[in-house]
Amino acid sequence: AQSVTQLGSHVSVSEGALVLLRCNYSSSVPPYLFWYVQYPNQGLQLLLKYTTGATLVKGINGFEAEFKKSETSFHLTKPSAHMSDAAEYFCAVSDSGNTPLVFGKGTRLSVIA
Amino acid sequence: NAGVMQNPRHLVRRRGQEARLRCSPMKGHSHVYWYRQLPEEGLKFMVYLQKENIIDESGMPKERFSAEFPKEGPSILRIQQVVRGDSAAYFCASSPLGAGEKLFFGSGTQLSVL
Repeated sequence: AQSVTQLGSHVSVSEGALVLLRCNYSSSVPPYLFWYVQYPNQGLQLLLKYTTGATLVKGINGFEAEFKKSETSFHLTKPSAHMSDAAEYFCAVSDSGNTPLVFGKGTRLSVIA
Repeated sequence: NAGVMQNPRHLVRRRGQEARLRCSPMKGHSHVYWYRQLPEEGLKFMVYLQKENIIDESGMPKERFSAEFPKEGPSILRIQQVVRGDSAAYFCASSPLGAGEKLFFGSGTQLSVL
């Protein structure tokens, strides 16, 4: 069975600083990996996903994530934080398309002016 | 193209009542998923349905909870005899293909049990 661990339930960065949100996964088969963002009182929106191919994946709003098989990680980064990036971020894994997404507990990102 | 529609946005029930949550997937999507979100716990998978069929209900509580996705009409998540512990945000998501593909989420239904 798959699982996801997001290190840090709350991350705070200054506007313009690097954003790094950590995600480690467990999967017995090659995983599909996702990052979703949730703004207050809204549903989740897909930021990016990795299935196969290039391990560095670029998403919307300047975010990117790198799949590192040896580290079982899929950390999310953005070079320069904006105030509008403040939200909850969820990492998710799927068993190569055969099972529903399993989500981590989420990381709340705060951006300080 | 309308997104995933969930209603109501907020639902208040007293203990022992029934709660019915509705989800209309995006046009052309035949796969529907229900997730429950509790504070500090993230999203927990409940059930995966395809038109008229339950594909995976491994996350559904064994009692009081049921889900359907009829040939016509929205998917319904039904909670009978609600208890305070059922208070949560319930999200529906749909996809055109199947499990593991990109999910499109609705805005959720916040259920409050008094």
